[in-house]
Amino acid sequence: EDQVTQSPEALRLQEGESSSLNCSYTVSGLRGLFWYRQDPGKGPEFLFTLYSAGEEKEKERLKATLTKKESFLHITAPKPEDSATYLCAVLKNAGGTSYGKLTFGQGTILTVHP
Amino acid sequence: GEEVAQTPKHLVRGEGQKAKLYCAPIKGHSYVFWYQQVLKNEFKFLISFQNENVFDETGMPKERFSAKCLPNSPCSLEIQATKLEDSAVYFCASSPWGGRKPEAFFGQGTRLTVV
Repeated sequence: EDQVTQSPEALRLQEGESSSLNCSYTVSGLRGLFWYRQDPGKGPEFLFTLYSAGEEKEKERLKATLTKKESFLHITAPKPEDSATYLCAVLKNAGGTSYGKLTFGQGTILTVHP
Repeated sequence: GEEVAQTPKHLVRGEGQKAKLYCAPIKGHSYVFWYQQVLKNEFKFLISFQNENVFDETGMPKERFSAKCLPNSPCSLEIQATKLEDSAVYFCASSPWGGRKPEAFFGQGTRLTVV
């Protein structure tokens, strides 16, 4: 069965204190791994897609990396506005032109204190 | 449109009443998904569509839940005879799929409260 596990469940940082969030996955035939940010009362906001081991993507203070078993979301010098829940999701390859299924982890709640 | 539009934002129903949620996907996106978000951040997959065709409905409690995506109309998710445990936020997402663009974009959700 496909599984996505995120750690830690919650992370509290001081402004400027860099850290990493982890997403471990078990899926046969990975099509892509996605990172989303979700603010309270809002829908998930797309951040990155990673397709293959070794790939890296960056956006402002965020950098996502991928290995064959896990992905990391590195946050460099975070600011209070980076506080949110960060979700990881995997898309399984259904073959051909079929989309497949998006499976989510349970998220990491990040709080950045000024 | 350029974003997934979900209506209503909030919906309150008495137990046993019907609830109907709507989703307008991003124009040009051929895949639509419905997810249920309950306790903490758990996202439960319900159903997906490729255009107006059901693609994967393995997550749907079929006895009370139904969904449609008809041409030139918003997609809909309907719950007959709601139960207390149906209280959740329901998210719709759409994706263009095709080639190297499998990203799914989410709407702001409909919060359903069953009392």
